[in-house]
Amino acid sequence: AQSVAQPEDQVNVAEGNPLTVKCTYSVSGNPYLFWYVQYPNRGLQFLLKYITGDNLVKGSYGFEAEFNKSQTSFHLKKPSALVSDSALYFCAVRDDSSYKLIFGSGTRLLVRP
Amino acid sequence: NAGVTQTPKFQVLKTGQSMTLQCAQDMNHNSMYWYRQDPGMGLRLIYYSASEGTTDKGEVPNGYNVSRLNKREFSLRLESAAPSQTSVYFCASSLNRGEAFFGQGTRLTVV
Repeated sequence: AQSVAQPEDQVNVAEGNPLTVKCTYSVSGNPYLFWYVQYPNRGLQFLLKYITGDNLVKGSYGFEAEFNKSQTSFHLKKPSALVSDSALYFCAVRDDSSYKLIFGSGTRLLVRP
Repeated sequence: NAGVTQTPKFQVLKTGQSMTLQCAQDMNHNSMYWYRQDPGMGLRLIYYSASEGTTDKGEVPNGYNVSRLNKREFSLRLESAAPSQTSVYFCASSLNRGEAFFGQGTRLTVV
């Protein structure tokens, strides 16, 4: 069975500082990994994905994520946080043999001015 | 380019009533999904449909049924609503195993 964990309910960073939002996963085959962002009272917006290839994936709004197979992690990063990055972030995983897409519990990012 | 459209946006039901949430996508995607979002629980998969004519249970299927009416439409039915089904429901679609695109959600309250 596939699963995904986001160990931090909330991450607080100061504007201009780097940010990391953590995600670990478990699948039986090869993982397809995704990050999404949700602003208040909105649907989810896709940020980036890892299917295969380079372990460092670049996405929208300056975000990137690093795939680490040995640690089964896919942490979201940004070199310099903006106040406007404050939102709810979700990690999701799909096994390469399945269409089932499972989400983590979400991490609230708060960027203070 | 509408993407994924969900109707209604808001709904209040009495316990025991039934209703169907509608979802349609215009991106020619083969896979469609229904999730519920509750505070502190993230998004939990209710049902999904890998392709037209197939449906499969997700993490929390009890109390729900789905119909993949055609390639565009995937509906979610609550036969006898319970207060525990108060939630925000999201429909999504994807092309094969690619990224999913989400609708704006349906806020359902069961009293």
